[in-house]
Amino acid sequence: EDKVVQSPLSLVVHEGDTVTLNCSYEVTNFRSLLWYKQEKKAPTFLFMLTSSGIEKKSGRLSSILDKKELSSILNITATQTGDSAIYLCALLGGSNYKLTFGKGTLLTVNP
Amino acid sequence: NAGVTQTPKFQVLKTGQSMTLQCAQDMNHNSMYWYRQDPGMGLRLIYYSASEGTTDKGEVPNGYNVSRLNKREFSLRLESAAPSQTSVYFCASSEAGWGPNYGYTFGSGTRLTVV
Repeated sequence: EDKVVQSPLSLVVHEGDTVTLNCSYEVTNFRSLLWYKQEKKAPTFLFMLTSSGIEKKSGRLSSILDKKELSSILNITATQTGDSAIYLCALLGGSNYKLTFGKGTLLTVNP
Repeated sequence: NAGVTQTPKFQVLKTGQSMTLQCAQDMNHNSMYWYRQDPGMGLRLIYYSASEGTTDKGEVPNGYNVSRLNKREFSLRLESAAPSQTSVYFCASSEAGWGPNYGYTFGSGTRLTVV
């Protein structure tokens, strides 16, 4: 059974700080790892990572996959209060095209 | 461009009552999913439908049934609601297969409280 473990489960920082969120996984047939941001409602897509070592960037957010270590990190630089959210890591593996989610990291950015 | 539409948005049930959560997508996606989200638990898959006419259990199927009515619609039924089913429910859809454009489109969620 595919498994996704995120750490930390919660994090409180001040505006301007840089944060690193971690995601590790166990999977029998890896296809992709995805990151989502969830504020009040439904998760919104951030990144899909398929190849090791290739950084994906979007503004102040970036993410990279390490297939050897079975892990991924999500970095947020110069955090803002609007970055406060739950960040979800999800794994696409196996023969069925469904995502297995981690428990999420609750990030709180204080002014 | 509606995407994935879930109804209702909020519902309060008494223990033992039944109800159906509705989900419809207008993106011609083959695959549809029902997840529940509880505090600190991420999203857990209840049931999914890889294509019209098929349904499969996910991680937490007990107490639920589903119907893939047609390609657009995938409903989730609680036959006898229990307080443990108090949760936020998300429907999602995706194209079949996997590729660079793979990803879920989520509905806005249904907040269900069972008292």
